[in-house]
Amino acid sequence: SYELTQPPSVSVSPGQTARITCSGSALPRQYAYWYQQKTGQAPVLVIYKDTERPSGIPARFYGSTSGTTVTLSIIAAQAEDEADYYCQSADSSGTLVFGGGTKLTVL
Amino acid sequence: EEQLLESGGGLVQPGGSLRLSCTASGFIFSDCAMSWVRQAPGKGLEWVSSISGSGGKSYFADSVKGRFTMSRDNSNNTVYLQMNSLRVEDTAVYYCAEAPTPIVGSTTFFRRWGQGTLVTVSS
Repeated sequence: SYELTQPPSVSVSPGQTARITCSGSALPRQYAYWYQQKTGQAPVLVIYKDTERPSGIPARFYGSTSGTTVTLSIIAAQAEDEADYYCQSADSSGTLVFGGGTKLTVL
Repeated sequence: EEQLLESGGGLVQPGGSLRLSCTASGFIFSDCAMSWVRQAPGKGLEWVSSISGSGGKSYFADSVKGRFTMSRDNSNNTVYLQMNSLRVEDTAVYYCAEAPTPIVGSTTFFRRWGQGTLVTVSS
C-alpha cells in the first residue's frame, strides 16, 4: 500500500525556521495537504494544494514541493506552533492517505 | 459559524455495532463531501471513509471495507457511519470532516473538523 513518509520529530529554537518533510512516490502527480494537531484537539488545515494557505492561517506557514517530497516550513517558529503535523495526499487510484505525523518541538 | 458535531461513540464489545452521527451547521451541506477520519490512542490519523455531496457514492479504506457503511441525510445536515463487526483495532477517536467540493476524489481534503467521538471496542 502507498505510504507518505515523515520524520517522527523535528526540534527548533524559537525564531528559527522549522522544516517538516513528507515523501511519497505519487507526490509529483497528487496535491499534498498539511494539518496541525495540538494536544487534545482536532486537526486544523494549514496548507492545501501544496502551497495554498487557508484564511486565518498565519503567513509564517509555507508549503513547497520538489519532486517526490513536499515540505511544510514554519518561518520564525513560535512556542504556540508546537504540535503534531500530518501530511495527506492520495495514491494513484485516488485512495486518501496520511503520513505518520511529525512532532514539532519549539524550545 | 461553520460547525461539525459528532455523537454516538461509546463502549462496545468485539463483534458489535455502533452508529456515529455528525451534524453540520453554518454552510451548504449538500455542496460538501463528508468524511470520517480516525485516530487510535497515541497514534496518527487514518482516513476511514468519504461520501459525495449527493450521497450517491461512498468510499472506504481497506481496513473497514465490508464492515462499515456511510450515508447522509441532506435534509437534516447529518452524515452517519454505521460500524458493524467491530474489532479491538477499531478503537479510536472518530472525527467528522468536511471537504470544500461535493465530489470525492484524489483532491479531497479536510477543510473543517469536528471535535471527535471516542469509540472503544473491548470485552
